[in-house]
Amino acid sequence: DGGITQSPKYLFRKEGQNVTLSCEQNLNHDAMYWYRQDPGQGLRLIYYSQIVNDFQKGDIAEGYSVSREKKESFPLTVTSAQKNPTAFYLCASSIGKKEAFFGQGTRLTVV
Amino acid sequence: AQSVTQLDSQVPVFEEAPVELRCNYSSSVSVYLFWYVQYPNQGLQLLLKYLSGSTLVKGINGFEAEFNKSQTSFHLRKPSVHISDTAEYFCAVSDLTNQAGTALIFGKGTTLSVSS
Repeated sequence: DGGITQSPKYLFRKEGQNVTLSCEQNLNHDAMYWYRQDPGQGLRLIYYSQIVNDFQKGDIAEGYSVSREKKESFPLTVTSAQKNPTAFYLCASSIGKKEAFFGQGTRLTVV
Repeated sequence: AQSVTQLDSQVPVFEEAPVELRCNYSSSVSVYLFWYVQYPNQGLQLLLKYLSGSTLVKGINGFEAEFNKSQTSFHLRKPSVHISDTAEYFCAVSDLTNQAGTALIFGKGTTLSVSS
């Protein structure tokens, strides 16, 4: 089945650590996105990529980094510079602007 | 910049009653509009979308929405809700005049709580 796979589903980070969230898609979509979800805040765009080897900052990119070395993969690294990383992270992909498909999310908690 | 306002953060309703979840977006010449549903600790699932054509759009699970260009609204409706409709609902817009990217812009969500 085609879709988007995010792993892990739950992730715990110690203060000062970098962690990487995985996102893989087999939909052959060019565009991929990372959103952060906090209660009552909706979804806020962190980074997006419209083509391999290219990506742009979204509204809340500080403290995050991404790479897009393959069409299928768009990993997100939450760095120690992100002061409040506890949140639900959603990866999505699309062809153009007609619809975005979402993964099941990764819940990151700082311990 | 484009923005989306979901007018109600929480909507409580009894089972089998009708419901309307309201969504307004800031003006734009051309937009695509979407409603997504999210169950706890899961990703977002597309309910319905407006790309062009008829302003009344039918989606999954008996939901429908009406695009009103003059009021820049895209309200979601269901004539009779079930307990299983309890979830968070997000309205989203894609601004076709924005050449910078393809990312959807989301509202802050409406929590629909259906009780018996």
